[in-house]
Formats: sequence, structure tokens, C-alpha cells
Amino acid sequence: QQQVKQSPQSLIVQKGGISIINCAYENTAFDYFPWYQQFPGKGPALLIAIRPDVSEKKEGRFTISFNKSAKQFSLHIMDSQPGDSATYFCAASMGGTGRRALTFGSGTRLQVQP
Amino acid sequence: NAGVTQTPKFQVLKTGQSMTLQCAQDMNHEYMSWYRQDPGMGLRLIHYSVGAGITDQGEVPNGYNVSRSTTEDFPLRLLSAAPSQTSVYFCASSFRGPSYNEQFFGPGTRLTVL
Repeated sequence: QQQVKQSPQSLIVQKGGISIINCAYENTAFDYFPWYQQFPGKGPALLIAIRPDVSEKKEGRFTISFNKSAKQFSLHIMDSQPGDSATYFCAASMGGTGRRALTFGSGTRLQVQP
Repeated sequence: NAGVTQTPKFQVLKTGQSMTLQCAQDMNHEYMSWYRQDPGMGLRLIHYSVGAGITDQGEVPNGYNVSRSTTEDFPLRLLSAAPSQTSVYFCASSFRGPSYNEQFFGPGTRLTVL
């Protein structure tokens, strides 16, 4: 059972364009939604994260939009650069007494063409 | 700080062999976990630990054992390797659980089981 569904699987964007990656979740107990960035041969690294009490969070060129009623969240990369070419994973977790782990989406391979 | 370190970086095993993947962190993190990464499936949790002497199963624990005798180390043991265990394995740690806390990932171990 895939609790976090991510799309698209791959994305090609021109330099300067906007990259958009979408995720949908099923478990309404999730209360933390991070995005991780992974370069080839490296481990994932936290990029940006949001809690469901806000609808948007921006850090530089990266923005998370969150729609609690639709159970969806997305990553927007403005002015995409070739250095942004990587695989991006959305994830979700819940606090409290549930399993203390991140549930990851399947990943999106982003290629930014110069 | 070295962060999260993993050894070996690459490993080839024959079916039925056993081995231990090593993971260590020098950030005094309570929470450590093991994920496997397979194409198109994101990262899936194998086992995790909330402190020395405390471990629990994740989403895909079969065929793997863990122990946590110290805060720093969290080895993953493959008892009898199978081709289905061919994957890239990542160890991660955080100050507390993964909710609201950045997970720091190691560089990964690429395992091939023939």
C-alpha cells in the first residue's frame, strides 16, 4: 500500500523554467511533510519541509504548497538551474505513538537543460 | 563532524551468504534507521531505533536483523542473502524521531546479490 503517491516519475525543464512535483497522501494522521533532494551516488538531503497548519512555505527558489482538504502537496522550483538536476522525494510522517518513520514517495528525476 | 558514515560502499554477495552493513553517526542522535532504495519505489524503512537497546521493525524487515548497543552504531545484518535484497541501503539519523526533525542520511551501500 503506497501511502504517498508522487508524480511525475521524471521531468525535463528548461533553464529558468518552473519545475512542479506533486504528491498525494492517504493517511490524515500525517503531520509533517518534508522534501528530500538526492544527487547521483549520494544520500538524500532535506530540502524543505512543511506542517499542515500553513498552506505555503518558501525558501529561496523552493516553495511547498499544501492543500489539507485535498490531501495534496507540491514542490515548486522557480528559475530552475542545471544544478537542480537531481531526484526529489516527498515524504510524510506522523508524531505521537505511531510508527516513527518517514513514508517516502517513489521519487521524481528532474533534469534541467541549459 | 563526519556525520553519518556507512561501510562498505559496494558489496557483492552470493545467495545464502551473510554480511553486516555498518552505520555510525557522531552527532549524538537518538534515532537511527535503515532504508532500502529500489528503482521506482522510493525509500522503504527496514528497521529503526529510538535509542540504545531499543529497535523496532519497519515496512520491510524480513531477512534483516539489527541491534543498537551504543548510541553511535546501528549495524544491519543480512542473515542469508537473496537476490531480492539487491538494493542500495541508506542509514539515517536524527536528534529525535523523523517528525519535525531533519533526517541525516549516509552515502549508501550498493549491494548486489548473485
